[in-house]
Amino acid sequence: GDSVTQMEGPVTLSEEAFLTINCTYTATGYPSLFWYVQYPGEGLQLLLKATKADDKGSNKGFEATYRKETTSFHLEKGSVQVSDSAVYFCALSDEISTDKLIFGTGTRLQVFP
Amino acid sequence: GAGVSQSPRYKVAKRGQDVALRCDPISGHVSLFWYQQALGQGPEFLTYFQNEAQLDKSGLPSDRFFAERPEGSVSTLKIQRTQQEDSAVYLCASSPAGAGTDTQYFGPGTRLTVL
Repeated sequence: GDSVTQMEGPVTLSEEAFLTINCTYTATGYPSLFWYVQYPGEGLQLLLKATKADDKGSNKGFEATYRKETTSFHLEKGSVQVSDSAVYFCALSDEISTDKLIFGTGTRLQVFP
Repeated sequence: GAGVSQSPRYKVAKRGQDVALRCDPISGHVSLFWYQQALGQGPEFLTYFQNEAQLDKSGLPSDRFFAERPEGSVSTLKIQRTQQEDSAVYLCASSPAGAGTDTQYFGPGTRLTVL
């Protein structure tokens, strides 16, 4: 079945460092890909998404490009801030089945000043 | 406008008790999803409604789990005879039209602890 694999955390960075969180997927159809973020004490919220190959999603300085050839959707940010500390979840939605989201296990990011 | 709300936010149950968890989706959203999130894991799909129709319940872990959305708005997830392995955060999400490209909007979750 469909699945998402993302790098284990925690990822610990100093403020202004470059961030990459790897995400790869397995899907039988043509999924849409998402990054959701969970800040401490808050609910899941959409960070960015891409609905077809070669699309780039971006928001709040974060970017991810839908790479069909490598089945990847890595999250990047050029300069992280302390306020980016959160848990990041990569997810896919496959239109062949119902539009449920299949999530990775999450990656905790800790940014120190 | 209001987001997705869930109640109660926290629930402690003794093993064997029945519990009911409520979800109020964003007004007008057609699709409603329930997910279960164990500690340190990503959310896992439980069930999906399009309006009042339950189109997918493949993720419900046992017949002790039951969900309904009788009028196509509020939804209730019921767990009968709770077990310790049911301890988790239960998340509800809604989306406007049920397309796979749609953003799902999540509620804050109900944290269930079964003693």
